Amino acid sequence: ETGVTQTPRHLVMGMTNKKSLKCEQHLGHNAMYWYKQSAKKPLELMFVYSLEERVENNSVPSRFSPECPNSSHLFLHLHTLQPEDSALYLCASSQELDGQGAYEQYFGPGTRLTVT
Amino acid sequence: AQSVTQLDSQVPVFEEAPVELRCNYSSSVSVYLFWYVQYPNQGLQLLLKYLSGSTLVKGINGFEAEFNKSQTSFHLRKPSVHISDTAEYFCAVRSLGGYQKVTFGTGTKLQVIP
Repeated sequence: ETGVTQTPRHLVMGMTNKKSLKCEQHLGHNAMYWYKQSAKKPLELMFVYSLEERVENNSVPSRFSPECPNSSHLFLHLHTLQPEDSALYLCASSQELDGQGAYEQYFGPGTRLTVT
Repeated sequence: AQSVTQLDSQVPVFEEAPVELRCNYSSSVSVYLFWYVQYPNQGLQLLLKYLSGSTLVKGINGFEAEFNKSQTSFHLRKPSVHISDTAEYFCAVRSLGGYQKVTFGTGTKLQVIP
């Protein structure tokens, strides 16, 4: 595997279900991100992990819970979601430089989530 | 605070014609600028970036962009588009100085017409 991979690619879940999205980066990067992409809206940054510590949480509802067990893996745990949470969830990674942020990000293909 | 504006949500263009996708940004400090492309059912892929130096930046797939500090613009251009360029294009900006997140524009859908 190369680059950034995400599983599953598609997910349909009911509002009472619990599921997890998985992201893995094979680039040796030290920062990972979760984004939400909805139709006709800008890309929304949800969470940022740098060196396995969460450095940003953009007022995301608690029904989304991130986990970063090591620098290569990132999870997004989902529970009691709402229909408006249906979107494409993108994972990205980058190499952060001495706490000065990073240059470009490398994205995975995304998980298309539908909440019924 | 920083922001990015992509005024054109959709741009139709005939195959082999030139195209320009517009991007304007605002920031109180110096910035890094990026263009990403997203093909259907895929994630975003970096097309090109401006960090410093020459204001004309060349990227993949024959695209280029010019950084204009006085007009706070970073427009993307290609002299002759191909059907395979049909995709959504995102401009992004990151301000310099400490930890700064990247801000993305709302995207421009380029539709290449045969």
